[in-house]
Amino acid sequence: GAVVSQHPSRVICKSGTSVKIECRSLDFQATTMFWYRQFPKQSLMLMATSNEGSKATYEQGVEKDKFLINHASLTLSTLTVTSAHPEDSSFYICSAEPGQGVNEQFFGPGTRLTVL
Amino acid sequence: QKEVEQDPGPLSVPEGAIVSLNCTYSNSAFQYFMWYRQYSRKGPELLMYTYSSGNKEDGRFTAQVDKSSKYISLFIRDSQPSDSATYLCAMSAGYSSASKIIFGSGTRLSIRP
Repeated sequence: GAVVSQHPSRVICKSGTSVKIECRSLDFQATTMFWYRQFPKQSLMLMATSNEGSKATYEQGVEKDKFLINHASLTLSTLTVTSAHPEDSSFYICSAEPGQGVNEQFFGPGTRLTVL
Repeated sequence: QKEVEQDPGPLSVPEGAIVSLNCTYSNSAFQYFMWYRQYSRKGPELLMYTYSSGNKEDGRFTAQVDKSSKYISLFIRDSQPSDSATYLCAMSAGYSSASKIIFGSGTRLSIRP
């Protein structure tokens, strides 16, 4: 149980285009979902925390207009990288927390974004 | 200074060896300490978590926390090639979604057959 999926697993796009990444909790309802970014050989950096039905809370230094997060249901959150540039190339990982006494984050497999 | 420091390695040991992975931290508010394993191009999976100081054992894995020294360790006994992965330490001040998890940069471990 507690499986989190991400789609796509990897995406290559041209500079200036927008990319949407989906994060789904497959066998549980996630009250809270998190989006992380991981550069090569670096730690996971939290970008934002989202709760179903409310606006995401962004970490300092993360542009909310560039990284749009929608948590429309208890099983789906999306991250849209708008007007992507090469410096946005990274590994994006989501995690989901069931809540209801289970305060543990389950991570998705990640999405490798390459912006040309 | 980073809140969490972790030697990136890589660390290469022969099969069957005892592996010691370590992290230091600077924030004395951290109460919950976690170790994640991350295989290449995959998301992290939680291996162990501990609360406050002390030891916790789970099979071949032992997590150790020394809050007085702000130092945590993960020991792997009888290491196997399948243990080859990047190990991330992580910690937070609380165990709820309101408490941000801070990750170390990860140590790449390779177990030689």
